[in-house]
Amino acid sequence: SQQGEEDPQALSIQEGENATMNCSYKTSINNLQWYRQNSGRGLVHLILIRSNEREKHSGRLRVTLDTSKKSSSLLITASRAADTASYFCATDDYGGSQGNLIFGKGTKLSVKP
Amino acid sequence: GAGVSQSPRYKVTKRGQDVTLRCDPISSHATLYWYQQALGQGPEFLTYFNYEAQPDKSGLPSDRFSAERPEGSISTLTIQRTEQRDSAMYRCASSLDRQGTETQYFGPGTRLLVL
Repeated sequence: SQQGEEDPQALSIQEGENATMNCSYKTSINNLQWYRQNSGRGLVHLILIRSNEREKHSGRLRVTLDTSKKSSSLLITASRAADTASYFCATDDYGGSQGNLIFGKGTKLSVKP
Repeated sequence: GAGVSQSPRYKVTKRGQDVTLRCDPISSHATLYWYQQALGQGPEFLTYFNYEAQPDKSGLPSDRFSAERPEGSISTLTIQRTEQRDSAMYRCASSLDRQGTETQYFGPGTRLLVL
């Protein structure tokens, strides 16, 4: 079963607006990661937030993590058309032997120029 | 098969040796990806294949890294003259479509340790 679930499944905004995507997970984690997937490319790692961190920034990205609610959010500020992609959160398999990353179904973000 | 498989699961080698990692994607999947994942970091894209074509290998860190998928199914990733910095988890994923917009299914990874 999937660990992470992103919400919403699809999001359409205008260029310049902010985009917020949420992720919920089920079990304890060591860290949570967000990925972007552009058409024709593999997953691009965006940001990693550890379980003892609450907020992290990287450029126009802001990620929050609430371990008590088992949820995370990804905020993209001042969106651009190039941000159009699918965004995935991925959690580690806490306690698992192989450290597999478990991804949700993703949020398809469309940024209209 | 039922999922993406990779072999070996663990590989310990000495610096300077060549290693070849194997990925067996889900049958009928058009697209296959290789990622390198350092400890505590997310996977980083290395290269991908659409069947046997390799449209993008921009993520390969050096010319010591090469990948093949000659018949459009099984793929190998070869690292020549391994260095300690090559120690990482190497992940393979496959997806059904050619555009790479569908879910990628990851294998369990090969953990490579270069001594």
